[in-house]
Amino acid sequence: AQKITQTQPGMFVQEKEAVTLDCTYDTSDPSYGLFWYKQPSSGEMIFLIYQGSYDQQNATEGRYSLNFQKARKSANLVISASQLGDSAMYFCAMRGIQGGSEKLVFGKGMKLTVNP
Amino acid sequence: EAQVTQNPRYLITVTGKKLTVTCSQNMNHEYMSWYRQDPGLGLRQIYYSMNVEVTDKGDVPEGYKVSRKEKRNFPLILESPSPNQTSLYFCASSLSLAASTDTQYFGPGTRLTVL
Repeated sequence: AQKITQTQPGMFVQEKEAVTLDCTYDTSDPSYGLFWYKQPSSGEMIFLIYQGSYDQQNATEGRYSLNFQKARKSANLVISASQLGDSAMYFCAMRGIQGGSEKLVFGKGMKLTVNP
Repeated sequence: EAQVTQNPRYLITVTGKKLTVTCSQNMNHEYMSWYRQDPGLGLRQIYYSMNVEVTDKGDVPEGYKVSRKEKRNFPLILESPSPNQTSLYFCASSLSLAASTDTQYFGPGTRLTVL
């Protein structure tokens, strides 16, 4: 079975500093994808970044980068130069095949607070 | 504008009163899904649909029904709601899930309270 683990319930970071949000995963599938979503207090889910299991390079999207360590089964999100608007819940998710169907499994999320 | 819409956004109801939460997408996506979000549990998949007339159970399907008669619509039905179904519900869609471009787009959420 696929599983996503986010162990940090919450983190605090100073504005303009970088922060790393941890995510580990478990799957027996050789082909899978990893996603990060942001959920601000308004509630919507915002896609941030994607990493495929066969991608050779770590994904980057603006201030977001994904530190993908396949052997360790980790897919940490790095936010550079934090902004106050980065304060939100962050969810790691994994796409894979389970029971013959494509599924997306989410972690429990973690709350990031950016302090001025 | 490409979007996933859900209605209603907020709903307070009583135990046992049947309700339907609608979900519609305008992106011609094949894959649609319903999640519920509860504090400390993240998002858990209720049901999903790979295409029209193809639906399957997710991780927490008990107490819910879905249908996919048209590609764009994927309503969530609670035949007899109970207080443990009080939650924040999200509908999502994607072209499929097979490629990096097949990101799931989420609706704005429906906050349901069952008294």
